[in-house]
Amino acid sequence: DVKVTQSSRYLVKRTGEKVFLECVQDMDHENMFWYRQDPGLGLRLIYFSYDVKMKEKGDIPEGYSVSREKKERFSLILESASTNQTSMYLCATGLAGGYQETQYFGPGTRLLVL
Amino acid sequence: SQQGEEDPQALSIQEGENATMNCSYKTSINNLQWYRQNSGRGLVHLILIRSNEREKHSGRLRVTLDTSKKSSSLLITASRAADTASYFCSENAGNMLTFGGGTRLMVKP
Repeated sequence: DVKVTQSSRYLVKRTGEKVFLECVQDMDHENMFWYRQDPGLGLRLIYFSYDVKMKEKGDIPEGYSVSREKKERFSLILESASTNQTSMYLCATGLAGGYQETQYFGPGTRLLVL
Repeated sequence: SQQGEEDPQALSIQEGENATMNCSYKTSINNLQWYRQNSGRGLVHLILIRSNEREKHSGRLRVTLDTSKKSSSLLITASRAADTASYFCSENAGNMLTFGGGTRLMVKP
């Protein structure tokens, strides 16, 4: 079974703080994704990575950056957290390929920015 | 990217009844996938239907796809209280998935 873990289930930070969310997978998947999920808006893609040190912007990259130094690890960074970044953050992984097949999700991190 | 839409946004049924959720999408897809999310958790993949398929079954799940109408439906038969969750469709038109807003299903025991 694919296992995708996220560093925290719940996180409370203050406005202006730098926030690191980490995702680790154990299935050697090439692709990794960061989404945020907000009520009524569904899942929106922030960034994805298809290989080590490679990254692509998703639909809402503003205010976020990512890092993928190792294949199994994909980090989402909020350089200066703001209250509008309060959300549920979901990491996902998938196999490489021109046509995306199944994605496997972590349990999510619920971030509250005060 | 454009998000698809699920309909209804919320559905409440009694245990044993069937639940039908619909999804409309906007692009020309390679495949369409349905996911389930229990409250406060990550998404779990349920079923994938390719653009050249019209119907697919998996246990109590039945998915249909109508590419001419850009729509799909998910039917859960003989629902159980444990089916209570949010259900999302996801369209795949390239190397990414685009998710709809989901249908919240409540199955009352």
